[in-house]
Amino acid sequence: DAKTTQPNSMESNEEEPVHLPCNHSTISGTDYIHWYRQLPSQGPEYVIHGLTSNVNNRMASLAIAEDRKSSTLILHRATLRDAAVYYCILRDVKRDSGGGADGLTFGKGTHLIIQP
Amino acid sequence: ETGVTQTPRHLVMGMTNKKSLKCEQHLGHNAMYWYKQSAKKPLELMFVYNFKEQTENNSVPSRFSPECPNSSHLFLHLHTLQPEDSALYLCASSQVPLDRGREKLFFGSGTQLSVL
Repeated sequence: DAKTTQPNSMESNEEEPVHLPCNHSTISGTDYIHWYRQLPSQGPEYVIHGLTSNVNNRMASLAIAEDRKSSTLILHRATLRDAAVYYCILRDVKRDSGGGADGLTFGKGTHLIIQP
Repeated sequence: ETGVTQTPRHLVMGMTNKKSLKCEQHLGHNAMYWYKQSAKKPLELMFVYNFKEQTENNSVPSRFSPECPNSSHLFLHLHTLQPEDSALYLCASSQVPLDRGREKLFFGSGTQLSVL
């Protein structure tokens, strides 16, 4: 899976939107973009994923650049409970030919700090 | 509640002790994983099990011994650990899809291990 680059940390105010960037300049045409987050003292949790089009769910929105070399996770109205480390991960599409699961490779992610 | 339960939440052990970490998933998944998260480091994938068969061992020392008796349970047996093995140990599960790109991992809250 191709590599991603994220800022080490970001700070935002409560009740304001947050835009978390991720660069993936070596992305291939078959890489899905996944976001996970890890709250303090918890395991990571899935947030959202997409391939080419922008995606929305109840947690966040994912905006994918037209050339797919970057993406942005958008939290529309941050709360203190959104303070976490956010990970941007690429997953290459391939049919299960017997290899099965092989896990996710996590980087350092972005530590999001929310100020009240 | 992610559907992945890990016990115990905290464990303190001496270097000569033998202990086991337990993970149970209630999601009907067919793949399970062990990850290690040391302070200030990214998550490291340790072991992968597909349909109860170990398919990946990322150069983990033999003092860590995984066991997967069925697709819902995963153990990590520990013996003669070193202080540098102190870390958060996370279990995850997933349903291996045909489309690897869409696969989502569900994590437990982890076991915080301290080796004295």
